[in-house]
Amino acid sequence: QKEVEQNSGPLSVPEGAIASLNCTYSDRGSQSFFWYRQYSGKSPELIMFIYSNGDKEDGRFTAQLNKASQYVSLLIRDSQPSDSATYLCAVNSGYSTLTFGKGTMLLVSP
Amino acid sequence: GAVVSQHPSRVICKSGTSVKIECRSLDFQATTMFWYRQFPKKSLMLMATSNEGSKATYEQGVEKDKFLINHASLTLSTLTVTSAHPEDSSFYICSARDPSGGRDEQFFGPGTRLTVL
Repeated sequence: QKEVEQNSGPLSVPEGAIASLNCTYSDRGSQSFFWYRQYSGKSPELIMFIYSNGDKEDGRFTAQLNKASQYVSLLIRDSQPSDSATYLCAVNSGYSTLTFGKGTMLLVSP
Repeated sequence: GAVVSQHPSRVICKSGTSVKIECRSLDFQATTMFWYRQFPKKSLMLMATSNEGSKATYEQGVEKDKFLINHASLTLSTLTVTSAHPEDSSFYICSARDPSGGRDEQFFGPGTRLTVL
């Protein structure tokens, strides 16, 4: 059974700090990896995707992928209170279905 | 990014009634759409995968006769909760996959909050 694991948190960081969110997955054949942000009471919003080993940067966000370790992470630089949300890691292992982790709650304090 | 709409955003109904939720891809053709359910403070749970022109594929434990899915066109999928009961109260979210970009990401609709009295 394909699994995606995330620490549920909450992860608390002060404003301006770097928030580091981690995710591991069980299916070694996984090909594509996504980070979604979900505010309370809202639906998920795609913020990053990554396919290749290494880092991918987009503004304040950096996704990191290590397929050998089956590990994907999301770094948020200069964290803002508006970044406070639940971050969902999702993995695609072949067909179009995504397997989601349970999410990590991030709290950024002013 | 691709835009997915959902209607209605919120519905309150009496126990025993049926509720239809629409999911539309507004600026792309979605051959595959997905229906999720999320209970408060819980993770997303995939209910079914909807493919245009064919029967939906339901996840284990999801009653296909209770949650009817129709994907009649490349831009519209509907979920009908039949004979709804209070335990069906939840946040229902659809997503759609845009195949034109050659990627696998799903774009989510804004969700429908169902309350069954």
